[in-house]
Amino acid sequence: EIVMTQSPATLSVSPGERVTLSCRASQSVGRNLAWYQQKPGQTPRLLIYYTSTRATGIPARFSGSGSGTEFTLTISSLQSEDFAVYYCQQYDNWPPKTFGQGTKLEIK
Amino acid sequence: EVQLVESGGGLIQPGGSLRLSCAASGFTFRSYSMNWVRQAPGQGLEWVAYIHSSPTTTFYADSVQGRFTISRDNANSLLHLQMNTLRADDTAVYYCVREGGAFDYWGQGTLVTVSS
Repeated sequence: EIVMTQSPATLSVSPGERVTLSCRASQSVGRNLAWYQQKPGQTPRLLIYYTSTRATGIPARFSGSGSGTEFTLTISSLQSEDFAVYYCQQYDNWPPKTFGQGTKLEIK
Repeated sequence: EVQLVESGGGLIQPGGSLRLSCAASGFTFRSYSMNWVRQAPGQGLEWVAYIHSSPTTTFYADSVQGRFTISRDNANSLLHLQMNTLRADDTAVYYCVREGGAFDYWGQGTLVTVSS
């Protein structure tokens, strides 16, 4: 089973800042990596798939990069609605399609 | 508009059984593989089970293998999860999820609480 490790667990940031979240896979997943956003009390939402392709309706301030075992999600200028928990997921080698443990973005 | 609506959750005693359902609409259900993903209170996401569009192929997380069964009714656009021998650590919100590689649409979830 591929283990996905996200860092940091919690990130305190101010609105307007640029933020980068990291996700590491225990073995190569190529570019088969997705990011999800989950706001409190809401269902997860697909943000990015295939490392860098934004899902329908996702603003351009969200971008993804990486390959193999190292991946990043960047939010260029944080908006108030972006404070949430972000999960990465690999879907290259499955089952299972494993998730990271999540990174919580909180307001500084 | 893609919609996934789960039902069947509730409070159940340890060792009991429960059947979750998910009604799909807004897309050609028979063309997509489907999954169940769960989230324990205050915890992260855990994939539970997968079923191919033609329901001959299924996979399960080790934690539910032998206890849970995923199935689908393509004629009526329904996804099911039969959960047997439930344990306290099965307590979670269960999401019905469509996939096209990544998990692109999620239902609102149904809460399953296993407690005496």
